[in-house]
Amino acid sequence: GAVVSQHPSRVICKSGTSVKIECRSLDFQATTMFWYRQFPKQSLMLMATSNEGSKATYEQGVEKDKFLINHASLTLSTLTVTSAHPEDSSFYICSAGGSYYGYTFGSGTRLTVV
Amino acid sequence: ELKVEQNPLFLSMQEGKNYTIYCNYSTTSDRLYWYRQDPGKSLESLFVLLSNGAVKQEGRLMASLDTKARLSTLHITAAVHDLSATYFCAVVSLEKTSGSRLTFGEGTQLTVNP
Repeated sequence: GAVVSQHPSRVICKSGTSVKIECRSLDFQATTMFWYRQFPKQSLMLMATSNEGSKATYEQGVEKDKFLINHASLTLSTLTVTSAHPEDSSFYICSAGGSYYGYTFGSGTRLTVV
Repeated sequence: ELKVEQNPLFLSMQEGKNYTIYCNYSTTSDRLYWYRQDPGKSLESLFVLLSNGAVKQEGRLMASLDTKARLSTLHITAAVHDLSATYFCAVVSLEKTSGSRLTFGEGTQLTVNP
C-alpha cells in the first residue's frame, strides 16, 4: 500500500532555531500534502495544504512566514518551523492524498523546543 | 463550515462489554473515515465509508454511516484491552471551498479495563 515516510520522528531544538520536517511518498505521487499539528490530548488541526509546484494554502491563524511549506516535487514536501519557540512544541503529521482512494499519513514528528 | 462532533470524548469500559462511539457532522459529505491513534503514534486507518447505509466490520469493530442523519457510529463488540486507544472520525466536505481536506472530530479516548 501507499507509504508516506516522515522524518525526523523526534527533534529537540533550541529556541530561535529552525527545524525542517520532511515527508516523502515512497511508492506513489503525492499531488497534495496536508500538514497537521496535534497538541497533547487534542485532535489534529490542519495547518496548511500544499500542492506540488504551487504555494501552500494556510489555514486561518497559521503564520505562513513561520511555517514554511515547500512541495517542489510529487514525492517530497517539507515543513520548516522557523525561529521556533516553546509554544511550537507539538506533534506534526503530514498526510498525502485527498483523492477518492483516501489519505496516507506520515508517522509524525515530535518537536520539542527548549 | 464543516463541524465534526464525537461522543463520548472519554470512554472507560470493561473487557467483554459492548459500546458505541458516535460521530455527527454538520454539512453534506460523501466520505467518512475512522482512524485509531495509539499514544505517541500517528493515525492508523480503520474504515472508509462512502455511501448511505454503508457498514464495514473488522474484528471487534463495526462502522456504519447514515448520510441523511449525518451520523456515523463505531461499535465495539466484546472489548479487549488491545482496543485501548484514541479513535477519530474525519469527514470530507463537499463544499468546493474546502477542497479535499479532512475535518476531524475531537477524538474518543477509549480505555478497556480488565
